Amino acid sequence: DSGVTQTPKHLITATGQRVTLRCSPRSGDLSVYWYQQSLDQGLQFLIQYYNGEERAKGNILERFSAQQFPDLHSELNLSSLELGDSALYFCASSASRLRSTEAFFGQGTRLTVV
Amino acid sequence: AQSVTQPDIHITVSEGASLELRCNYSYGATPYLFWYVQSPGQGLQLLLKYFSGDTLVQGIKGFEAEFKRSQSSFNLRKPSVHWSDAAEYFCAVSFRGANNLFFGTGTRLTVIP
Repeated sequence: DSGVTQTPKHLITATGQRVTLRCSPRSGDLSVYWYQQSLDQGLQFLIQYYNGEERAKGNILERFSAQQFPDLHSELNLSSLELGDSALYFCASSASRLRSTEAFFGQGTRLTVV
Repeated sequence: AQSVTQPDIHITVSEGASLELRCNYSYGATPYLFWYVQSPGQGLQLLLKYFSGDTLVQGIKGFEAEFKRSQSSFNLRKPSVHWSDAAEYFCAVSFRGANNLFFGTGTRLTVIP
């Protein structure tokens, strides 16, 4: 158990809909990362938050957004969903912003868009 | 451009045999290097990491990796594979100026009895 909790574990929704994925980082971790794992794109970095502020953006679509709340949990919002958004979405947390700090991954949320 | 490559999509080994998974990166300097393992239905677990210093690093579950600057490689090895090692293995790098990880495409390991 990494200590990172993601909910829900599975989500099935229709095209055009909006969903919210939730991540609770390890206790004390200030940095949260979101990654998308799909068959065609592999594991890709989406976005990073540190102590409530956006720190870095990767290949995140404009239809996607994220935020980190004062209690440090984070949510990834996916809207106007398309079939191609079906993927496993991982959250990871680390204690600092530094790239040398180990990131711990949650078990992921599997999103299926039908 | 910065990149990380895992040339082997799928590897099959017999239980008890040795294992080497390849990872190459393209970057002007030495990045931070990581190996993660993903078991079915599980998240990613860090096996080991290299930042600097001794080029042979030891990790969990009996894995080790060797950094070779001249070959821009960071290959993962295990002397004797167990059936429980069957999983997907990802090499990842962190480049200077970026806090996130860039992942290779992964190598699926199958272990046969």
